[in-house]
Formats: sequence, structure tokens, C-alpha cells
Amino acid sequence: DGGITQSPKYLFRKEGQNVTLSCEQNLNHDAMYWYRQDPGQGLRLIYYSQIVNDFQKGDIAEGYSVSREKKESFPLTVTSAQKNPTAFYLCAEGKNSPLHFGNGTRLTVT
Amino acid sequence: AQSVTQLDSQVPVFEEAPVELRCNYSSSVSVYLFWYVQYPNQGLQLLLKYLSGSTLVKGINGFEAEFNKSQTSFHLRKPSVHISDTAEYFCAVEGGATNKLIFGTGTLLAVQP
Repeated sequence: DGGITQSPKYLFRKEGQNVTLSCEQNLNHDAMYWYRQDPGQGLRLIYYSQIVNDFQKGDIAEGYSVSREKKESFPLTVTSAQKNPTAFYLCAEGKNSPLHFGNGTRLTVT
Repeated sequence: AQSVTQLDSQVPVFEEAPVELRCNYSSSVSVYLFWYVQYPNQGLQLLLKYLSGSTLVKGINGFEAEFNKSQTSFHLRKPSVHISDTAEYFCAVEGGATNKLIFGTGTLLAVQP
């Protein structure tokens, strides 16, 4: 994992519920990222944070929210406003750009 | 804005044969280039990266890539593949002030015995 941990590995939710995905890193790097992966579409950036208490929208931020209260933690909340939340979610960290990825959380919403 | 194109969605190859996975990028600024590998149901692992200097970059697992600025390419090569190399490979580009990585859509390398 390169010092970055995502939990849980699999997550199931009913439509209309918010759900929070955990991402923790112990490499003491400033930058953390959330990506969404769908078959045939590669990785798309949801949110990123380059410093504690600051984060920026990526390319597909609608329906998602994040917080960065601690350097080592960058949780992602998938809200009920996200139209198509079922996907594989990957967290990454790095000094300046994403170098280490977690093993991902596969979210299924029915 | 940067973009990355991986033209081949799947590359079948026999074990011990050479392989090249193609990656082309577009950018109006100097770029950093990366290749990642993803095994099933896992995260991405960095194979190699080009930041500056020598255009031939060597990575883990016997892979290498060559940065070609005139052709805006960063193709990944391995002289002899193993069954264990079967995975999805992603090319990515970073450039500009935001430090964001833009990924290609991935190439599935399928190594057959």
C-alpha cells in the first residue's frame, strides 16, 4: 500500500444514503487525492488537497464532499446527490503529485 | 490543458515475447510523465516516471519507457513478458501549476502461455 490505507474494501449502500470512505496515510506527505475508476474510463479526479484545511474540486466533484482536518486523513463522502455512485474509488498521496495509491474501495449502491 | 491517449485498450501477447504499450500526450507546457500498473481489485503501483534528464527511463519489473518530445509520446516497453505481467497499465501526465495527474483510459496487457 505504500503507507496509504483505504477502508472498507467493499461497501454496500441503499440509494439515498450518504456514505463515507476512509483514507489514511503515514508517509507525512502534504498532497492527497481521490479518484473514481469506471471500466474503460481510466481514473477521474474527484477532489484533491495539497495542505491541511484546504482542498480543491477535481473534474467530477458534483455529489461528493471531503474534509482535511488532519494531514494523515482525507475522507470522502458520497452524497445522495451523486447520480451514479457505484464505482471503484481510489485514494492517493504524494509529495507533489500522486505517487502511492491505496487498494481502493468498491462501492455498490442499489 | 493536458490530455493523454492510450490507443490500445487491450494488447494480447505470448509469454517471453516483447511488448510495447503506446501513450501519446498533449500539453502546452513542460510535462512530467508516469506509467502505473494495476492488478485486479488493487490500487495503482508506480512503474516509472520521467521528470527530466535522460529520455530513457527504467522502472520496476524490467519495464522501460522513452520520452519523445517531438512525437509527444511516452511508450512503455518490455523485452520479454511473463504471465505475471498481465494487468492494466495506465499512462499519466502532469503539467502546469496544479500538480494534477491526468490519466489515460488504460491498456490491458494479456499475456498468454
